[in-house]
Amino acid sequence: QSVLTEPPSASGTPGQRVTISCSGSSSNIGSNTVNWYQQLPGTAPKLLIYSNNQRPSGVPDRFSGSKSGTSASLAISGLQSEDEADYYCAAWDDSLNGYVFGAGTKVTVL
Amino acid sequence: EVQLVESGGGLVQPGGSLRLSCAASGFTFSTHWMSWVRQAPGKGLEWVANINQDGSEIYFVDSVKGRFTISRDNAKNSLYLQMNSLRAEDTAVYYCARVALPAARYYYINVWGKGTTVTVSS
Repeated sequence: QSVLTEPPSASGTPGQRVTISCSGSSSNIGSNTVNWYQQLPGTAPKLLIYSNNQRPSGVPDRFSGSKSGTSASLAISGLQSEDEADYYCAAWDDSLNGYVFGAGTKVTVL
Repeated sequence: EVQLVESGGGLVQPGGSLRLSCAASGFTFSTHWMSWVRQAPGKGLEWVANINQDGSEIYFVDSVKGRFTISRDNAKNSLYLQMNSLRAEDTAVYYCARVALPAARYYYINVWGKGTTVTVSS
């Protein structure tokens, strides 16, 4: 099982707000920044959020990230059909000395 | 345009070897840490290995230690992953990735290749 815990699925109708949680521990999220990746079907992952809440150039401001203690969350506001994808949280783990990912959350737009 | 292009994937028998390559372009390759990340069929992402700018610092996930080696040739803007003693559980799409910030506290990957598929089966 993954070091970071995400729900396997989330869904919403167009325009709704969807939130994905990511739970870790003191050796990863508790000590280091959290990043989020979006993986559209059949494609490579894409950086969505870095350093807890920073958006790379080109990422819509509908996507936002936050972190508190050993947990983090990704929010998608104004859900759109093109947001259907798998979303992964990630952080460096000081105990494992490696970059760890959550198992991924599949977002479905109803 | 920043680009990473992997090659070298294929079908290999258990216990066999394979060498993956990644050609980088559009950025100064020699100034970046690089990484390999894999994704088994229908599964999530798994970080495999990191290498620093001159190859003097290398890290692996425990499951591949002693079997995989990572290297780079800055003159050729290329990253490599030598995989030996391959197992069925190594079957995955292998992504070459560029590390944006290598410091643990702020570590993240910001560029990904399209991936190359490795299948370990008899």
